[in-house]
Amino acid sequence: GAVVSQHPSRVICKSGTSVKIECRSLDFQATTMFWYRQFPKQSLMLMATSNEGSKATYEQGVEKDKFLINHASLTLSTLTVTSAHPEDSSFYICSSHPPGPSGTEAFFGQGTRLTVV
Amino acid sequence: GESVGLHLPTLSVQEGDNSIINCAYSNSASDYFIWYKQESGKGPQFIIDIRSNMDKRQGQRVTVLLNKTVKHLSLQIAATQPGDSAVYFCAENMVQGAQKLVFGQGTRLTINP
Repeated sequence: GAVVSQHPSRVICKSGTSVKIECRSLDFQATTMFWYRQFPKQSLMLMATSNEGSKATYEQGVEKDKFLINHASLTLSTLTVTSAHPEDSSFYICSSHPPGPSGTEAFFGQGTRLTVV
Repeated sequence: GESVGLHLPTLSVQEGDNSIINCAYSNSASDYFIWYKQESGKGPQFIIDIRSNMDKRQGQRVTVLLNKTVKHLSLQIAATQPGDSAVYFCAENMVQGAQKLVFGQGTRLTINP
């Protein structure tokens, strides 16, 4: 199957600092990528849709100025958590759909565990 | 189904037994459904999918059943193995839509040796 890679897998940062998470499609071009957040023992909640060459689309209740998304190339989307606070600690996961007949099948990155102290 | 932030339902089965995990979805317009397996600290892994023009689909040791009348989806895992222990999520989507997946609550499956 297609490969989506996320980096870093774990990050610890101090309150007030910003953290950037990268999501790469390794073997296909991704015009769209999705960013999810998952709190412990809960399901994945879609945060935003990252669109190559245009603005991201945010889900209701997600602050676009806090979660900055950049999708500057067909293989890379980044999520920057700005002015992080302990309540932003979570598991962040990206996904994308390769083009083709099975274009609806999503492949996920390994996830990034963010801990804000 | 929308996640409502509750603790995950759990299911324990003996190794070698069959397991059935259930999911209720919310959008009657959804026409594509997927089951994902998530191990601790990792991203979801695709297991099997089904489109709304089908009511059953089989893979290797897994079967997905879809009942559109009651908006219900199930995942059957045959001859369970210790490696099947994980959290399982159903997800719904529309083939012609924005490809945004809506995840169900999830079920933690534990395989007892």
